[in-house]
Amino acid sequence: GENVEQHPSTLSVQEGDSAVIKCTYSDSASNYFPWYKQELGKRPQLIIDIRSNVGEKKDQRIAVTLNKTAKHFSLHITETQPEDSAVYFCAARGGKLIFGQGTELSVKP
Amino acid sequence: DAGVTQSPTHLIKTRGQQVTLRCSPKSGHDTVSWYQQALGQGPQFIFQYYEEEERQRGNFPDRFSGHQFPNYSSELNVNALLLGDSALYLCASSSLRAQNEKLFFGSGTQLSVL
Repeated sequence: GENVEQHPSTLSVQEGDSAVIKCTYSDSASNYFPWYKQELGKRPQLIIDIRSNVGEKKDQRIAVTLNKTAKHFSLHITETQPEDSAVYFCAARGGKLIFGQGTELSVKP
Repeated sequence: DAGVTQSPTHLIKTRGQQVTLRCSPKSGHDTVSWYQQALGQGPQFIFQYYEEEERQRGNFPDRFSGHQFPNYSSELNVNALLLGDSALYLCASSSLRAQNEKLFFGSGTQLSVL
């Protein structure tokens, strides 16, 4: 069945450094790849998404890249800030929207 | 413009009982998806409703059922509760008619089965 693998499970960086989270997907029909941020006790919130006809998308400090051939996509956060600390989820949609297991990002001041 | 709303926020049940969770989609949305999120895990897809019909389903047993009403709101029913059903249940809405696949989540219902 469809599967999304996400790495790393935890990531700790110093404020101002960059953070990279990587995901791979199994369903070659996947054409939509959103990323969600979930703070403790809160709902997942969409932070950026990309469709399969685009290789890269950027929104201020956040960027996502997609390699359809290799079936992997990545989230890049530059100039990290303590408020970026949260759990980040990638997801891929072929038919259903399938989520990865999450990456707990900790940004230390 | 109200976002996705879910009720109740918390619920405690015992094994074998039945539970109904409710969701109102974001204004303008017509599609509701339900997810189960266990502690420390990613959301797991349960099913999706559009035009009052179950459109897609994940790997969940028949104990999990749902319904969508003409006003697009939705219910998730779980029968014969097991301890393992304890989780955060998230509802998410989108607009299939507008071909807008961005999914917006509610705050969830935290279900505890004792």
